[in-house]
Amino acid sequence: QQQVRQSPQSLTVWEGETAILNCSYEDSTFNYFPWYQQFPGEGPALLISIRSVSDKKEDGRFTIFFNKREKKLSLHITDSQPGDSATYFCAASETSGSWQLIFGSGTQLTVMP
Amino acid sequence: EAAVTQSPRNKVAVTGGKVTLSCNQTNNHNNMYWYRQDTGHGLRLIHYSYGAGSTEKGDIPDGYKASRPSQENFSLILELATPSQTSVYFCASGDAEQFFGPGTRLTVL
Repeated sequence: QQQVRQSPQSLTVWEGETAILNCSYEDSTFNYFPWYQQFPGEGPALLISIRSVSDKKEDGRFTIFFNKREKKLSLHITDSQPGDSATYFCAASETSGSWQLIFGSGTQLTVMP
Repeated sequence: EAAVTQSPRNKVAVTGGKVTLSCNQTNNHNNMYWYRQDTGHGLRLIHYSYGAGSTEKGDIPDGYKASRPSQENFSLILELATPSQTSVYFCASGDAEQFFGPGTRLTVL
């Protein structure tokens, strides 16, 4: 039972293009959605996050769009750079004491120079 | 900046053997977590802790035990390792933002 789904599994874009990574969830009690970026051989690192009271969160070239009614969100990476090549994980949590994260299976992004 | 370290970084174990993975954090976070990462599954939570002396089951706790002897240290214990436990294991600390260690690659032969 996958509570958080991501698509596509892999994505290749050219340098300068916008990469769009998709995520959906099932549990309506989730109200916090972080995206983590992972480079090979390293642990994941928080990239950007959004809470369910917002429909958009922007941080430089990275923007999360959130649709609570459809239980969907997407990460847009504008002006993609080769250094953005990594695996991106969408996660979901309730903002409670344990902060248990449910992770999607990830999108492997490759940015071609 | 939060620092989470794991040891060992690589481990080869035999089926039926005992394996202990260690994690240390220096940012004084109450919450710590153990995940495993497998292709196609993302990261799955095994055990977590609210503080010293506390351990809680995550989503896939079977075959694993955890120990939190202090605020800084959180261990994952495989009493009888099996080949299905071959994976990359990550420790993390924090709450809204979780800081991950570099991972331990475990191979059970």
